[in-house]
Amino acid sequence: GAVVSQHPSRVICKSGTSVKIECRSLDFQATTMFWYRQFPKQSLMLMATSNEGSKATYEQGVEKDKFLINHASLTLSTLTVTSAHPEDSSFYICSAADRGGSTEAFFGQGTRLTVV
Amino acid sequence: DAKTTQPTSMDCAEGRAANLPCNHSTISGNEYVYWYRQIHSQGPQYIIHGLKNNETNEMASLIITEDRKSSTLILPHATLRDTAVYYCIVRVGQYNYGQNFVFGPGTRLSVLP
Repeated sequence: GAVVSQHPSRVICKSGTSVKIECRSLDFQATTMFWYRQFPKQSLMLMATSNEGSKATYEQGVEKDKFLINHASLTLSTLTVTSAHPEDSSFYICSAADRGGSTEAFFGQGTRLTVV
Repeated sequence: DAKTTQPTSMDCAEGRAANLPCNHSTISGNEYVYWYRQIHSQGPQYIIHGLKNNETNEMASLIITEDRKSSTLILPHATLRDTAVYYCIVRVGQYNYGQNFVFGPGTRLSVLP
């Protein structure tokens, strides 16, 4: 089946620094990728939708200047958390939609970000 | 997309069938029922989906009522590894071009030894 690889799986960074998370579709082309955030004991919340070659669409309440999304190719999208603060500590998950069409969404394994 | 309602949590004995209900009383004719699960600290995993017919695969069975207002996910022989949060999601269209999945709180299933 289709695989979405997310890297890194865990990262600890200091407050004020930036962290980049990569999301790759390994065996299919992803026209669209989604970025979710999940706080402890809560459900996944959509942060933004990125389309290859165009600007990402952010959900209400998500700061686009803080969460930079780049989707430069059909197999790679990146999320950069800029000037990270402890409240940005969360589980970040990406999902990809197969350009060829599929019946299910493919999710990465998630990235646990801890800002100290 | 229509809203779903699931119990907050359920327990199931190992080796027994786990039956997870989902209510989606406002479902539209072109909306599918999807089930995903999320094991702790992992990304969601697809389980099964259907429109109006019952569906079965190697992981589970999906039973959708005739009026489509509710469904049940059945794990026939639950194991400890099935302990996870199970999400029932209703969404338009079978193909997900540019369409995200909206996750509710889900049901936390605990399989007990």
